[in-house]
Amino acid sequence: GAVVSQHPSRVICKSGTSVKIECRSLDFQATTMFWYRQFPKQSLMLMATSNEGSKATYEQGVEKDKFLINHASLTLSTLTVTSAHPEDSSFYICSATGTGWTDTQYFGPGTRLTVL
Amino acid sequence: AQKVTQAQTEISVVEKEDVTLDCVYETRDTTYYLFWYKQPPSGELVFLIRRNSFDEQNEISGRYSWNFQKSTSSFNFTITASQVVDSAVYFCALSELPQGGSYIPTFGRGTSLIVHP
Repeated sequence: GAVVSQHPSRVICKSGTSVKIECRSLDFQATTMFWYRQFPKQSLMLMATSNEGSKATYEQGVEKDKFLINHASLTLSTLTVTSAHPEDSSFYICSATGTGWTDTQYFGPGTRLTVL
Repeated sequence: AQKVTQAQTEISVVEKEDVTLDCVYETRDTTYYLFWYKQPPSGELVFLIRRNSFDEQNEISGRYSWNFQKSTSSFNFTITASQVVDSAVYFCALSELPQGGSYIPTFGRGTSLIVHP
């Protein structure tokens, strides 16, 4: 199956700093990537959808200036949490669909962000 | 609007027992996709199955089987002879035909399966 990686897998940062999370498709070209957020024992909440070379589409209630998404290539998307606060602590998961198949998302392993 | 309900929050079984995870969905579309994903303690979501709305044939893959019934809007997942490694949170998801762009699934709240040795 399609492989998606994320880096880092865990990050701890101080309040007020910015954190960048990378999402890569390893064996396919990802035309669309998605970013989700998951709180403990909760379901996945879609934050935004990004197409390569275009601005991301954010879900209602997600601050685009706080969660900066860049999808500069067909294999890489980044999520930057700017001026992170403890309430941003969460599990962030990316997923991707490939050229010619948009009906199934393959997920990365997730990044656990802890803001002190 | 699409909705997925996984009424079972947590299921606890002993190894070798069979277990069924329920999934009920709501959609106004006639064309849609249903999915099951597994999320082990490591956190990574593992794709298990995709089924489109026109294919009601049940599927079996090893110890896993899925029962899709449009009449009851259900897509249940059965694990036969459960093993400790099956312990995980299982998510059911539904994607309606997109107006444009990609299918974006709506996830259920997940069912936590604990298999005891």
